[in-house]
Amino acid sequence: SSELTQDPAVSVALGQTVRITCQGDSLRRYYASWYQQKPGQAPVLVIHGKNMRPPGIPDRFSGSRSGNTATLTITGAQAEDEADYHCNSRDSGDNHYVFATGTKVTVL
Amino acid sequence: EMQLAESGGGLVQPGGSLRVSCAASGFSVSNNYMSWVRQAPGKGLEWVSVIYSGGTTYYADSVRGRFTISRDLSKNTLYLQMNTLRAEDTAVYYCVRDVIAEYGSNGFDIWGHGTMVTVSS
Repeated sequence: SSELTQDPAVSVALGQTVRITCQGDSLRRYYASWYQQKPGQAPVLVIHGKNMRPPGIPDRFSGSRSGNTATLTITGAQAEDEADYHCNSRDSGDNHYVFATGTKVTVL
Repeated sequence: EMQLAESGGGLVQPGGSLRVSCAASGFSVSNNYMSWVRQAPGKGLEWVSVIYSGGTTYYADSVRGRFTISRDLSKNTLYLQMNTLRAEDTAVYYCVRDVIAEYGSNGFDIWGHGTMVTVSS
């Protein structure tokens, strides 16, 4: 099965832009989905597909893909964006799914 | 409003069994790909199993042969039967809906609050 990798942690100054990357072979075939998770809460889908936001997700969240790397961009990070962010995709070659280990985003 | 609500978690001894349930409201589990995703304490998310709208099932290597996903369409409820439980199965178990049927690409858009399963003697 495939693996997805993310940097463990990243920080961003309030109001600045932060990019969170996710790498893996499955991303050459499938789009990544991105989830925001705050302590003690269930994850929330923020981006799926080519660059789709579910209702209620602010437009400062956007997604992109190049080769085997997917990127979640938060443009103008807010204090409430401080959370763990997880990426996932379908697993290339079989009917499975795969998650990366997550990136902790700190807003300074 | 579309919602999922898990139940049935608890403390079980190694080698034991447990069934967790997930009641759906506001949509039909029969028309969607439904998965179980778990999260061990302080760890990341791990996909466990999926049941397609047609009823086909798949499992992560770590649980294949021990866990069984199923659904009761009359109750609009998803289940995960867990046998031969191990300490490493300790986690919060979430049921989730995949938007793939609507959008053609994966995204788990509805999550329950989760149910905690602890495997310990």
